[in-house]
Amino acid sequence: NAGVTQTPKFRILKIGQSMTLQCTQDMNHNYMYWYRQDPGMGLKLIYYSVGAGITDKGEVPNGYNVSRSTTEDFPLRLELAAPSQTSVYFCASSYTDNEKLFFGSGTQLSVL
Amino acid sequence: DAKTTQPPSMDCAEGRAANLPCNHSTISGNEYVYWYRQIHSQGPQYIIHGLKNNETNEMASLIITEDRKSSTLILPHATLRDTAVYYCIALSNSGYALNFGKGTSLLVTP
Repeated sequence: NAGVTQTPKFRILKIGQSMTLQCTQDMNHNYMYWYRQDPGMGLKLIYYSVGAGITDKGEVPNGYNVSRSTTEDFPLRLELAAPSQTSVYFCASSYTDNEKLFFGSGTQLSVL
Repeated sequence: DAKTTQPPSMDCAEGRAANLPCNHSTISGNEYVYWYRQIHSQGPQYIIHGLKNNETNEMASLIITEDRKSSTLILPHATLRDTAVYYCIALSNSGYALNFGKGTSLLVTP
């Protein structure tokens, strides 16, 4: 199993541009999550999904959108990039809630 | 989910036991204590979790006090590769980890 795969690994955006961070998992996990981690800080939950077709907001959802059309994929969309969205983004999955999370290797995003 | 408090940093000599404390004084009866670690800028890695009993696996041991208000993660023989940020979070059965906090930065020295 590849586990949780995120692409791209690095990206630089200009203010106002849009992009989609991709996340896919091959463990047949129902739950998927997007976190962001600012320098020197812990991870904060942006959005999560408990199954295909179901998404919900986490602690810091503003400026982001998600969709979950399949069990495997959980893309994160930035519509109008802002410097405040410069961060490292981690996708994670788990089989159910209250189960250990498996994380991807992250996407480092800079908005200039 | 209950708030957890951890010291910002700790040192440990290689080969010695690393004991990382976590305070979760407001934890409720159905909340588990989870530990993750993050090596450099990689994605966090699950270590161990428990509810009330002490737990051990191939990576570490978790000691939870009888009143469940605090816990200690023990790395029995720390190596240089254990240098990482360690996060303690409390999570209920249907809860999601909203915020990992800043964790404890453990430095293992030769």
